[in-house]
Amino acid sequence: AQTVTQSQPEMSVQEAETVTLSCTYDTSESDYYLFWYKQPPSRQMILVIRQEAYKQQNATENRFSVNFQKAAKSFSLKISDSQLGDAAMYFCAYRTSQGGSEKLVFGKGTKLTVNP
Amino acid sequence: EPEVTQTPSHQVTQMGQEVILRCVPISNHLYFYWYRQILGQKVEFLVSFYNNEISEKSEIFDDQFSVERPDGSNFTLKIRSTKLEDSAMYFCASSGSGSMNTEAFFGQGTRLTVV
Repeated sequence: AQTVTQSQPEMSVQEAETVTLSCTYDTSESDYYLFWYKQPPSRQMILVIRQEAYKQQNATENRFSVNFQKAAKSFSLKISDSQLGDAAMYFCAYRTSQGGSEKLVFGKGTKLTVNP
Repeated sequence: EPEVTQTPSHQVTQMGQEVILRCVPISNHLYFYWYRQILGQKVEFLVSFYNNEISEKSEIFDDQFSVERPDGSNFTLKIRSTKLEDSAMYFCASSGSGSMNTEAFFGQGTRLTVV
């Protein structure tokens, strides 16, 4: 079974600075999807960014980018120019690309605090 | 922008009672899911539903739970005889089909409190 590990329970960053959240995963599959979800205090799950494993290019969405290292099974999230609104729980998630299983497997999350 | 809608936002129920959590997935999506998040813990998969039947379920999803798509728009999670440990945030999600089925969109969640 696939597992997702987020080794940083909490992180903090100064406003306008850059922060990197770590995620590693374990799988025997060669093709899959990886996601970062943001959960603000409202507790809604909001998709931040996704990466297809077959793509070598790292995904980017405005201030959010990932460092996808397939061989190392690492998928870190970099937030540039951090804003107060970025404060939230961030969850890394894995999904197989094989048919028959569409579920997401989540890590335990990293709580990000943004200091003014 | 289309979104997944869940009702109610907060449900308080007495232990042993039955609850039904409701969800309206995004209209052209074909895969539907329920996830659970106990306070302070990670989000856990409960069940996925496709083509009017359960396609996958976790070990958490035992006989106490059931899902239904009673009409063309709603997707419900029923919890029979609730227990204190069922208190959690329940998230509904939906995703598309084929090449569009790469990401799940989540509702805002229903906070279930069992007393």
